[in-house]
Amino acid sequence: EVQLVESGGGLVQAGGSLRLSCTASGFTFSNYAMSWVRQAPGKGLEWVSGISGSGGSTYNTDSLKGRFTISRDNSRNTLHLQMNSLRVEDTAVYFCAKQDSTVTTWFDYWGQGTLVTVSS
Amino acid sequence: QSVLTQPPSASGTPGQRVTMSCSGSSPNIGSNYVYWYQQLPGMAPKLLIYRTNQRPSGVPDRFSGSKSGTSASLAISGLRSEDDTDYHCAAWDDSLSGWVFGGGTKLTVL
Repeated sequence: EVQLVESGGGLVQAGGSLRLSCTASGFTFSNYAMSWVRQAPGKGLEWVSGISGSGGSTYNTDSLKGRFTISRDNSRNTLHLQMNSLRVEDTAVYFCAKQDSTVTTWFDYWGQGTLVTVSS
Repeated sequence: QSVLTQPPSASGTPGQRVTMSCSGSSPNIGSNYVYWYQQLPGMAPKLLIYRTNQRPSGVPDRFSGSKSGTSASLAISGLRSEDDTDYHCAAWDDSLSGWVFGGGTKLTVL
């Protein structure tokens, strides 16, 4: 059974940093691209970043302007999102999602999410 | 402001058929598959439709997807109370080289 468990969320002041993690199990982690998708309170879903199975290719939404960095440790079946220069508008639940194969394929499994709250 | 446009709300009565739309543009819906996700309150999204009109195993055939040009639709027939929740559409965008979502439609079963 595929399981994705996020951690690392919490309350941080604007301008601060957080590192999110997602621990995966139930599948061969290195064979699949992974992404982070966020959802601000009462809003829709927003794709944040994606990474290939090998970790050699990364994709980011332009609006983040390089503040967030996605990475993965295939030896530990873990996905990370390093978030710097956090803004109030980054407040959201952050989901990690497994993709069917590459970053351009769909999200077939999702974690339960971790809440990031950025205060002013 | 979401790249894909969904109506914020839709409604229907039990047993009825409802459709909800997802409007995009050439680089996303016009060129790629559309995906639909169902999200219960406080829960993670669940894949409902993939590759525009395919259902994952376990998804009832009451749910169906279609696309025409730069717009897509999700149809739910035989509406049930448990369908009362949020639905999101998504597509890969070739110009942005990233995924785009709609703002979500809240379906109310009256």
